[in-house]
Amino acid sequence: GENVEQHPSTLSVQEGDSAVIKCTYSDSASNYFPWYKQELGKRPQLIIDIRSNVGEKKDQRIAVTLNKTAKHFSLHITETQPEDSAVYFCAASRQGANNLFFGTGTRLTVIP
Amino acid sequence: GAVVSQHPSWVICKSGTSVKIECRSLDFQATTMFWYRQFPKQSLMLMATSNEGSKATYEQGVEKDKFLINHASLTLSTLTVTSAHPEDSSFYICSAPILYSEQYFGPGTRLTVT
Repeated sequence: GENVEQHPSTLSVQEGDSAVIKCTYSDSASNYFPWYKQELGKRPQLIIDIRSNVGEKKDQRIAVTLNKTAKHFSLHITETQPEDSAVYFCAASRQGANNLFFGTGTRLTVIP
Repeated sequence: GAVVSQHPSWVICKSGTSVKIECRSLDFQATTMFWYRQFPKQSLMLMATSNEGSKATYEQGVEKDKFLINHASLTLSTLTVTSAHPEDSSFYICSAPILYSEQYFGPGTRLTVT
């Protein structure tokens, strides 16, 4: 099955700085790569996703890049704000949005 | 957006008893739903795929006789943890996709087995 690795496990940045989280996947057939934000005790919330036919996608302060050859994808958050503090998970699937396999998570802390 | 609900939001049960968790898609039909387990400060682990009208598909290492899944209708899937033990204590989250677009997650059920 798919194996998704994510790093770093924790990340602290000053407010206004950028944050980058990286993931690698093992299944070359994976074609859908979402990123989720999860606050303590709550459900994961989709913040951005990318499909394998696209190399980069941006939504305001959030961007995701995908390198299919290297099988890695990254989340970029610019101009970080304290409310960005949460745990972020990457995921990968070979069946669109079905059967997601999650990375191990990154706890992001934005220091005011 | 689409809404997925879970019930109960939290439950405490004694060791050896069974607990049923419901997952409902409130405003869309879901032929497939997914069940995840999340231990504290860990990632979401896919347990099984719930299929309406057929048997669930379990991930490797997940005991199908212990975690019974029933997809009773196009809007309801249930997960029953049978003969629960303290090591089954976890946060259980379901999700449902709309076709091949986004997966929508339920709010989760925190199970504590004493």
